[in-house]
Amino acid sequence: AQTVTQSQPEMSVQEAETVTLSCTYDTSESDYYLFWYKQPPSRQMILVIRQEAYKQQNATENRFSVNFQKAAKSFSLKISDSQLGDAAMYFCAYRRPSSGSARQLTFGSGTQLTVLP
Amino acid sequence: DTGVSQNPRHKITKRGQNVTFRCDPISEHNRLYWYRQTLGQGPEFLTYFQNEAQLEKSRLLSDRFSAERPKGSFSTLEIQRTEQGDSAMYLCASSPTGIKTGNTIYFGEGSWLTVV
Repeated sequence: AQTVTQSQPEMSVQEAETVTLSCTYDTSESDYYLFWYKQPPSRQMILVIRQEAYKQQNATENRFSVNFQKAAKSFSLKISDSQLGDAAMYFCAYRRPSSGSARQLTFGSGTQLTVLP
Repeated sequence: DTGVSQNPRHKITKRGQNVTFRCDPISEHNRLYWYRQTLGQGPEFLTYFQNEAQLEKSRLLSDRFSAERPKGSFSTLEIQRTEQGDSAMYLCASSPTGIKTGNTIYFGEGSWLTVV
């Protein structure tokens, strides 16, 4: 079974600084998808960024980028120029490809990010 | 497109009562998921539909839980004889099919259940 581990329950960053959130996962698959979701106090899960395992290039979305290390099964999220609105719980998630069963997401336990003014 | 819609957003019920949550997915998304999330934890998968067919159920989905998706549109999640351990947020999500979509799953705002 796939597992996702986020070893940092809490992180804090100064506004305008950069922070990196860690995520490791365990799978025997070679093709899969990885995601970072953000869950603010409103509780709605919002997609931040996604990465296809077959792509070597790291995904980037504005101030958010990932460092995907397939061999190490590591998928960290870097937030640059942190803003107060980035404060939230961040979840790393894994998903198998569409074929077959188990199309659901497997989530880590989350990292609570605090942004300090 | 208004996103995934869930209601009610909050429900307080007495132990032993039945509750039902509704989810309206993003239009034209043929895949629909239910997750459960307790405080301080990541969401846990409950069940998954493709169109009207329930294709997968987690072992977390006990006999007191039932989900339906008639006509492949909205879905309902019913919990019978609620227990205090059922208190959680129930998240609905949907996704389209097709390689171009990137297999991204979109979530609703969740339905909070408190069993007293």
